[in-house]
Amino acid sequence: GAGVSQSPSNKVTEKGKDVELRCDPISGHTALYWYRQSLGQGLEFLIYFQGNSAPDKSGLPSDRFSAERTGGSVSTLTIQRTQQEDSAVYLCASSLGGHNEKLFFGSGTQLSVL
Amino acid sequence: KQEVTQIPAALSVPEGENLVLNCSFTDSAIYNLQWFRQDPGKGLTSLLLIQSSQREQTSGRLNASLDKSSGRSTLYIAASQPGDSATYLCAVLGSNYQLIWGAGTKLIIKP
Repeated sequence: GAGVSQSPSNKVTEKGKDVELRCDPISGHTALYWYRQSLGQGLEFLIYFQGNSAPDKSGLPSDRFSAERTGGSVSTLTIQRTQQEDSAVYLCASSLGGHNEKLFFGSGTQLSVL
Repeated sequence: KQEVTQIPAALSVPEGENLVLNCSFTDSAIYNLQWFRQDPGKGLTSLLLIQSSQREQTSGRLNASLDKSSGRSTLYIAASQPGDSATYLCAVLGSNYQLIWGAGTKLIIKP
């Protein structure tokens, strides 16, 4: 596609439910990042995928969070047993590869946990 | 631990003025620094990327400088326009390959 696509754009869920957030990176981009941004805060790194290498999961805040990237393209971020503090905008970004490339961001998923 | 600070947190100026946004970081061991803009309800747009070996980058009315030794970067916007209104974020890529972000400067350009 022309840009990074994220779905859904908005998700409202009840505490304790599981949610899946999807990211379609720009075609040909080998690097994919997930961040989250809480209201009025900067971006918090969650996870980084680069090609077929093992992902850098060092930013995941708890074991309730996991992410996959299938076929080196689409990525899914899963949050299990959601908590109210998980409410944030979850942003996905991709780049051509390597950390010295510009990042292209999706519009994000606004997650609200009631 | 790398920390990124942006000053001011908010700025409002009349259209046509030149302005400077500031970004400082505590650890000079960086690979690059990027400036982004974030529009309400939209994702982030990369504006400029400065490699650690570079001193500045220019794109149109935007000029970003980098002084690694002092841990500072500035984003200069010339002849500001109402369409420049957005939140501007800087982020540094450190030795652990993680982008560390500032909290942003919310810029309002008054017509």
